Amino acid sequence: DIQMTQSPSSMSVSLGDTVTITCRASQDVGIYVNWFQQKPGKSPRRMIYRATNLADGVPSRFSGSRSGSDYSLTISSLESEDVADYHCLQYDEYPYTFGAGTKLELK
Amino acid sequence: QIQLVQSGPELKKPGESLKISCKASGYTFTDYAMQWVKQAPGKGLQYMGWINTQTGKPTYADDFKERFVFSLETSASTAYLQINNLKNEDTATYFCARKGFAYWGQGTLVTVSS
Repeated sequence: DIQMTQSPSSMSVSLGDTVTITCRASQDVGIYVNWFQQKPGKSPRRMIYRATNLADGVPSRFSGSRSGSDYSLTISSLESEDVADYHCLQYDEYPYTFGAGTKLELK
Repeated sequence: QIQLVQSGPELKKPGESLKISCKASGYTFTDYAMQWVKQAPGKGLQYMGWINTQTGKPTYADDFKERFVFSLETSASTAYLQINNLKNEDTATYFCARKGFAYWGQGTLVTVSS
């Protein structure tokens, strides 16, 4: 199975920060990476699809990028509503696999 | 609007079985596969597999090949997840999600405890 190594597992952040979360794929997954935001007690929300595409209704301060097998989610000028858990997913090959998640916490 | 509505929370004993439903609306059910995702308490997301809504053929991730069954009731635009011989480690929230993961159910909390 493809491993998605996500880092960091948690991050202490301040409002207005630029935050970057990374997933490294254990083998080539092309552009087939999604990023999700999840708040406590809620379903995941797709933020980025195909590595770099902003999902409908997602603020433009979110962006996705790829460098080789490294995929990143960047949040520019963090707002309070962005404090949540974030998960990456590769959907190039079955079984699809998620990263372990990143928890953003306010300082 | 597109919605996936799941059945309510379940409290079961080890060894029992349960069946969770995921009712789709707002689109043609057979146009998109349905995925299932597990989230244990305080843990990350785990992909369980998917079911082809045109043929009914399920595909399971390795950890979910033994006691887990995906099924459909196409006439009711509903997908089901059945878990047999429940174990304590099945305690989790289970989500259905439409292919592409743009739409998710609200999750069904399953608690297995003696």
